[in-house]
Amino acid sequence: EAQVTQNPRYLITVTGKKLTVTCSQNMNHEYMSWYRQDPGLGLRQIYYSMNVEVTDKGDVPEGYKVSRKEKRNFPLILESPSPNQTSLYFCASSLSGKHEQYFGPGTRLTVT
Amino acid sequence: AQSVTQLDSQVPVFEEAPVELRCNYSSSVSVYLFWYVQYPNQGLQLLLKYLSGSTLVKGINGFEAEFNKSQTSFHLRKPSVHISDTAEYFCAVSAVQSGSRLTFGEGTQLTVNP
Repeated sequence: EAQVTQNPRYLITVTGKKLTVTCSQNMNHEYMSWYRQDPGLGLRQIYYSMNVEVTDKGDVPEGYKVSRKEKRNFPLILESPSPNQTSLYFCASSLSGKHEQYFGPGTRLTVT
Repeated sequence: AQSVTQLDSQVPVFEEAPVELRCNYSSSVSVYLFWYVQYPNQGLQLLLKYLSGSTLVKGINGFEAEFNKSQTSFHLRKPSVHISDTAEYFCAVSAVQSGSRLTFGEGTQLTVNP
């Protein structure tokens, strides 16, 4: 089944404790992206990747890192999480040049 | 840069009534337009898209949307809603030359009441 998977689905952590949210897709998509969803703000792009080893900042990149060492994986790293990063995070992927994106199920992160 | 405004944050309707969710966009370049739906505790799913051609686009679950270039709008409609249509709906835009980047609106919560 074609899908985007994210892990974990739920995470509660404390300020400053490094964490990684994994994202994997099995559709051989070149493009991958991370969004955060906050009430009243819709989805805002954090980082995106056009292909392996090619990443770029989105609209709200501060406090986040990403890497794209393999085509299928695009982990999101929070080196020192803060409470304002409490949010619902989505990973998405698409074929290059095709603007339709496929979304993962989401990761709800709470930073206390 | 592009921007999207969804004009209603919440839309309550009764079952079997028609509904329209409004979306306006701003862009200095040609764009593609999308509507996504998010059911409770799930990811986003594509409802429909406008890439080119006919300005009336039909999607899944009986939804349709009309692209109006002069009014820079892409409103979503359904003639008769069901309880199961209760969800959050997002309008999104992508510049034709952008590669795949999407800009989303703030979302509209559609609640269908019996």
